[in-house]
Amino acid sequence: DAGVIQSPRHEVTEMGQEVTLRCKPISGHDYLFWYRQTMMRGLELLIYFNNNVPIDDSGMPEDRFSAKMPNASFSTLKIQPSEPRDSAVYFCASSPRGGGGPREQFFGPGTRLTVL
Amino acid sequence: AQKVTQAQTEISVVEKEDVTLDCVYETRDTTYYLFWYKQPPSGELVFLIRRNSFDEQNEISGRYSWNFQKSTSSFNFTITASQVVDSAVYFCALSETRDDKIIFGKGTRLHILP
Repeated sequence: DAGVIQSPRHEVTEMGQEVTLRCKPISGHDYLFWYRQTMMRGLELLIYFNNNVPIDDSGMPEDRFSAKMPNASFSTLKIQPSEPRDSAVYFCASSPRGGGGPREQFFGPGTRLTVL
Repeated sequence: AQKVTQAQTEISVVEKEDVTLDCVYETRDTTYYLFWYKQPPSGELVFLIRRNSFDEQNEISGRYSWNFQKSTSSFNFTITASQVVDSAVYFCALSETRDDKIIFGKGTRLHILP
């Protein structure tokens, strides 16, 4: 079975450019999560979806960040315009429906974003 | 509010030694879930265990074991006879049943020295 797929794996861009990160969750999983990991702040939840609907976006840093999930097999995280402080590893994770509480999340390999 | 504390930022042990990673959590809920994840140098996060608050039995999986103690709000992780491949960052995490979010601790970086 394929795990969570993220693309690109590495992205280097210049300040002010638009960046789009992509994620394909595990088939059949109802939940999709976007995280950001930095040395200073650790692993932060940005937003999560349930059945393609955004449930909690309180972790999105500011309006420059947006996320969509047009269907059950695809999600994007967009940063426009990007800034150097957005440099981080961005992870996508998915989990199956609960049925006794929150289930374990399965993570993708991450996208390492560098904004110059 | 929920919180996970991993007081050990970094640990180094020599191969074959046992090592315990500490995790202390805070929650006001009576029903919650605890997790451990491993992040090896390659970067991906690997799920290790999920435990609900009603199951205080210790768990053993090969060289890994987990000690859940509600009385001290701790969910510690022990690696027995450590190996170099165990070198990684280990995260403890907590989820309350009111939503589906997992709150991660800051992680413990474990170095297993040959």
